Amino acid sequence: GDSVTQMEGPVTLSEEAFLTINCTYTATGYPSLFWYVQYPGEGLQLLLKATKADDKGSNKGFEATYRKETTSFHLEKGSVQVSDSAVYFCALSLNTGGFKTIFGAGTRLFVKA
Amino acid sequence: EPEVTQTPSHQVTQMGQEVILRCVPISNHLYFYWYRQILGQKVEFLVSFYNNEISEKSEIFDDQFSVERPDGSNFTLKIRSTKLEDSAMYFCASSGTGDSQPQHFGDGTRLSIL
Repeated sequence: GDSVTQMEGPVTLSEEAFLTINCTYTATGYPSLFWYVQYPGEGLQLLLKATKADDKGSNKGFEATYRKETTSFHLEKGSVQVSDSAVYFCALSLNTGGFKTIFGAGTRLFVKA
Repeated sequence: EPEVTQTPSHQVTQMGQEVILRCVPISNHLYFYWYRQILGQKVEFLVSFYNNEISEKSEIFDDQFSVERPDGSNFTLKIRSTKLEDSAMYFCASSGTGDSQPQHFGDGTRLSIL
């Protein structure tokens, strides 16, 4: 079935370090791909999205490129900040009659000053 | 920016009782969803709702669950007879049409079953 796999956390980095969170997906059909972020005690916020192969989504210094050949959508940021500490969820959305979103397990990021 | 609002933020209920979680989706959205997140676990899809009917539901969404759009603005999730394992964060979401449209999430309702 359709699924999203992302790297297990927690990921601990020092401020200004480079971040990569890996995400791969399995889907029948052509999904849209998303990264959501969840700050402590809050809901899910859309971070970025890509709707077709080779699209690059970007926001707040984060980027991810839709790679159809490797079925991947890895999240990257060149220089993380303490305020980036959160849980990051990779997700796909498919038209299965209801456009449900399937989430990965989430990766917790800690950034130390 | 318009947002999805959920009430209450925290609900404590005795096992076996009925509970209704409420959501006000973004006004021009047409698709509505409920998800749950058991503490420390992944976000799980429960149900999607369009044109006043369920368009898809997961295995979790059994006969104990129901959804309703009682008026033009609210979208509710009812759990008929709560169990301990229903304790979780419940997120409501809404979206425009199309799978490229991201879902906008509320801040969630934390449901605690005693």
